[in-house]
Amino acid sequence: EAQVTQNPRYLITVTGKKLTVTCSQNMNHEYMSWYRQDPGLGLRQIYYSMNVEVTDKGDVPEGYKVSRKEKRNFPLILESPSPNQTSLYFCASSLNRASGNTIYFGEGSWLTVV
Amino acid sequence: GDSVTQMEGPVTLSEEAFLTINCTYTATGYPSLFWYVQYPGEGLQLLLKATKADDKGSNKGFEATYRKETTSFHLEKGSVQVSDSAVYFCALTTLRGDSSYKLIFGSGTRLLVRP
Repeated sequence: EAQVTQNPRYLITVTGKKLTVTCSQNMNHEYMSWYRQDPGLGLRQIYYSMNVEVTDKGDVPEGYKVSRKEKRNFPLILESPSPNQTSLYFCASSLNRASGNTIYFGEGSWLTVV
Repeated sequence: GDSVTQMEGPVTLSEEAFLTINCTYTATGYPSLFWYVQYPGEGLQLLLKATKADDKGSNKGFEATYRKETTSFHLEKGSVQVSDSAVYFCALTTLRGDSSYKLIFGSGTRLLVRP
């Protein structure tokens, strides 16, 4: 079954404590990205990756890091989380960077920073 | 810049009512247009899409037509069910400087269908 899997699904952490949200896809997709969803703002892109070792900033990259060492994995790293990073996070993937491709989303990770 | 505007919710309907969720967009070039649905506690799923003007996307009884003249992509369903209760996102892809495509979302419209 085609899947985008992200972990953890729910996390409460404290300000400044580094955390990583993992994302893995089993579809051999080239393109992966991270979004955050906030009330009234829809989904905003944090970072994206067009292939292994190729990453770039989205609309709201501040406070986040990513890496793409393997095609299937695209972890999101919060080096020093702050309360304004409390949000619902989605990992997504698609076959490649072309327009019209279906984008597959993970189930989301609820992150609360206190 | 490119953007998507959709009607604010929540939209509350009785079962079997007709549904319209409005979506308009601003974009340069020729974007592809999408509707995604988010059921409670789940991630987003593609509901339908249209990749060029006058195309009609359809799935599960939902339809939307890509109208370039009115820059719209309104979502419609003739008879909603309780199981259609969800948040619906209109989205478009727009070309980025590195020749990749970026997905831009509207703010989402919550639909609540009552028995």
